[in-house]
Amino acid sequence: DTAVSQTPKYLVTQMGNDKSIKCEQNLGHDTMYWYKQDSKKFLKIMFSYNNKELIINETVPNRFSPKSPDKAHLNLHINSLELGDSAVYFCASSQTSGGTEAFFGQGTRLTVV
Amino acid sequence: GDSVTQMEGPVTLSEEAFLTINCTYTATGYPSLFWYVQYPGEGLQLLLKATKADDKGSNKGFEATYRKETTSFHLEKGSVQVSDSAVYFCALPRDSGGGADGLTFGKGTHLIIQP
Repeated sequence: DTAVSQTPKYLVTQMGNDKSIKCEQNLGHDTMYWYKQDSKKFLKIMFSYNNKELIINETVPNRFSPKSPDKAHLNLHINSLELGDSAVYFCASSQTSGGTEAFFGQGTRLTVV
Repeated sequence: GDSVTQMEGPVTLSEEAFLTINCTYTATGYPSLFWYVQYPGEGLQLLLKATKADDKGSNKGFEATYRKETTSFHLEKGSVQVSDSAVYFCALPRDSGGGADGLTFGKGTHLIIQP
């Protein structure tokens, strides 16, 4: 059973399009995240949700809109895609109590052409 | 804010060599510390962790000791294998008191093991 699964794994799209990435976790965790990994492998948090409530929004352009229909799902919708949005996007989850580790999905490699 | 500094690679070693990847951190208090590994084309996996000073985390032959005196959490392995080739990330919680703030990662160290 995959703990954190995200789809699609690869996404190639043209500039200006709108796309979504879906994420689901079956670990019973109460917090989910989106991270962005750039071409140099640097990882930065974008959003976190705790029990469907937005907690962190790290100066991400408002073209990026996360949505959490329930605490097991966190989707990421991106409007008007730009070349600079090309990256690998990782979904993760954790249980909120001091210092517990996060579990990551396999990543979605987004390429904007 | 809290931060993590780790040696940047690539680090290239021969099989069976001894590995050290340095990691130092700045943080308020004494947060848990983590090492994650990312194999080619995959997501991040937790490799090991330590939750308090002097704790030693270990897994798959890798070890790291939480040293509050030197604010370090260096990753070591006595004899590396080709299958250890990956990118290794040192990390700590963004919120030292716990919560939903996620993790701060180092820049990652690309390890290449040659047969």
